[in-house]
Amino acid sequence: QQQVKQSPQSLIVQKGGISIINCAYENTAFDYFPWYQQFPGKGPALLIAIRPDVSEKKEGRFTISFNKSAKQFSLHIMDSQPGDSATYFCAAVISSGSARQLTFGSGTQLTVLP
Amino acid sequence: DGGITQSPKYLFRKEGQNVTLSCEQNLNHDAMYWYRQDPGQGLRLIYYSQIVNDFQKGDIAEGYSVSREKKESFPLTVTSAQKNPTAFYLCAISTGRNYGYTFGSGTRLTVV
Repeated sequence: QQQVKQSPQSLIVQKGGISIINCAYENTAFDYFPWYQQFPGKGPALLIAIRPDVSEKKEGRFTISFNKSAKQFSLHIMDSQPGDSATYFCAAVISSGSARQLTFGSGTQLTVLP
Repeated sequence: DGGITQSPKYLFRKEGQNVTLSCEQNLNHDAMYWYRQDPGQGLRLIYYSQIVNDFQKGDIAEGYSVSREKKESFPLTVTSAQKNPTAFYLCAISTGRNYGYTFGSGTRLTVV
């Protein structure tokens, strides 16, 4: 089953707070786990990604935590800003030759209050 | 959007009409994808193509058709057989470099 479950569906945090979005998967064939950020009317843009042999990756205020045994990974946004308000999608990738098949979570709408 | 162009941005379809959404890329990448986005349901794969003249069905291919006659172009036709076509359609390429996708800016299709 190539399903990726994402929670919560929506999230409201105060400016300066920590936003946490969680995802879980079942298929152990996934070999890469990216997060995408999407603003209204735009296509998703790659935010940060992690391989399953790494437990944590940090880029600026964004951190992915990965728990391979639990088949879970999460996005942490530190010092959340109103400009971070967007929809966030986790995804899981299966690679085959030059193709990358992504399975997406259902998305989390993040609102950061000023 | 990093060398991938979708057009038009907005498209209106009458009942029983076929419409074609354009996706063009100038990055010389082999793999291209079409996704459909509905509120609260994330992105669902319609079709993908790894090379010219070859394409594969995704999870929700019924009511859609594609062609890949040129490496740069991967148009999607929404046929009259697609009963609920109103959605945001996204084209993507597999950049390979970061194992992710680069998405176009999308086409919002509405049935009128």
